[in-house]
Amino acid sequence: DTAVSQTPKYLVTQMGNDKSIKCEQNLGHDTMYWYKQDSKKFLKIMFSYNNKELIINETVPNRFSPKSPDKAHLNLHINSLELGDSAVYFCASSQDRIYGYTFGSGTRLTVV
Amino acid sequence: GQNIDQPTEMTATEGAIVQINCTYQTSGFNGLFWYQQHAGEAPTFLSYNVLDGLEEKGRFSSFLSRSKGYSYLLLKELQMKDSASYLCAVMSDYKLSFGAGTTVTVRA
Repeated sequence: DTAVSQTPKYLVTQMGNDKSIKCEQNLGHDTMYWYKQDSKKFLKIMFSYNNKELIINETVPNRFSPKSPDKAHLNLHINSLELGDSAVYFCASSQDRIYGYTFGSGTRLTVV
Repeated sequence: GQNIDQPTEMTATEGAIVQINCTYQTSGFNGLFWYQQHAGEAPTFLSYNVLDGLEEKGRFSSFLSRSKGYSYLLLKELQMKDSASYLCAVMSDYKLSFGAGTTVTVRA
């Protein structure tokens, strides 16, 4: 049983397209996150939802829009993709926000 | 925000010990975490310190000094499979922020 699952694992798309990445967790956690890991391997938080409510929104272009239909799902939609959006995007979840995070396996996005 | 510093790379021999240092500056400290990340994979949880002192977990130990803003991860009896990136992360105001990671290469 996969605890945090993301789809797709790989995504190659052209500049200007709109794409979505989906994330689901079956751990019963109440908080979910999106992180971006760039080519230098630096993991940076983008968004966090707690029980479907947005609680962290870092300085991210508003082309990125997270959506949480329920506390087990957190999707990331990206409009008008740019070359600089190429990275690995990780979904994660945690219980009560102060415990360690469980990460999904990542989505490698390549914009060409 | 947080400043989290750790060395970029370290190399050690199989069977040896390696210590990865991490210094941080933050407010609202809720804990310090260490994660392991193999190339192309997700970060996985290794250890958690919220009070000063040493936490031991098998071959891995982690130390924290809150007054010094300092932590280290100690890897003993290194194995080839320990070659990975080790990420120091600080929980502050319910947000987990990561350092850039230390790539450890274990040589035979």
